Amino acid sequence: GAGVSQSPSNKVTEKGKDVELRCDPISGHTALYWYRQRLGQGLEFLIYFQGNSAPDKSGLPSDRFSAERTGESVSTLTIQRTQQEDSAVYLCASSLGPAGGSGELFFGEGSRLTVL
Amino acid sequence: SQQGEEDPQALSIQEGENATMNCSYKTSINNLQWYRQNSGRGLVHLILIRSNEREKHSGRLRVTLDTSKKSSSLLITASRAADTASYFCATVNNQAGTALIFGKGTTLSVSS
Repeated sequence: GAGVSQSPSNKVTEKGKDVELRCDPISGHTALYWYRQRLGQGLEFLIYFQGNSAPDKSGLPSDRFSAERTGESVSTLTIQRTQQEDSAVYLCASSLGPAGGSGELFFGEGSRLTVL
Repeated sequence: SQQGEEDPQALSIQEGENATMNCSYKTSINNLQWYRQNSGRGLVHLILIRSNEREKHSGRLRVTLDTSKKSSSLLITASRAADTASYFCATVNNQAGTALIFGKGTTLSVSS
């Protein structure tokens, strides 16, 4: 596709259930990022994939959160045993090169998660 | 963790006025980027300034960078109602070389 695609756009789940969020980056982009944005707040870094390097998982808030990326394509963010505090918009972004380079990030529209 | 901090948190102005937002960060950087977010949408890249640059222009946007003070400013001239959005600065720690870290943003409201 032309841009970063995220699905689902909205997800309502019950506390304790697992959820999986998907991100399709722009074709050819080696870097992929996940961020969390709570209502009215800034972006909270979660995880960063760059090519074949080990991902930077330093932003994952707990072991209930995990993410995978298949090569340089699709990524999934999984939240196990969801809690109400997990309610937020989860934003995915991709860039052509590493974060330290000159590449700008292209964002998807986000997946809005509501945990009841 | 390294993070840009925008100031002010919120700014309200009239159409035609200029809007200035500031960003401070903590560690040495490779570049600093500014992004815009319309309500409920993804972020859009506005401008990137490298650590060896002091000022950069793009249309009605002017960005400055002072690495000695670890700060940057974004100026929007002749603002329009359509400029109403949240604006974020983002930096990468050039030693760690990891992800782009965003500040908490400035919410700009432009009244017509």
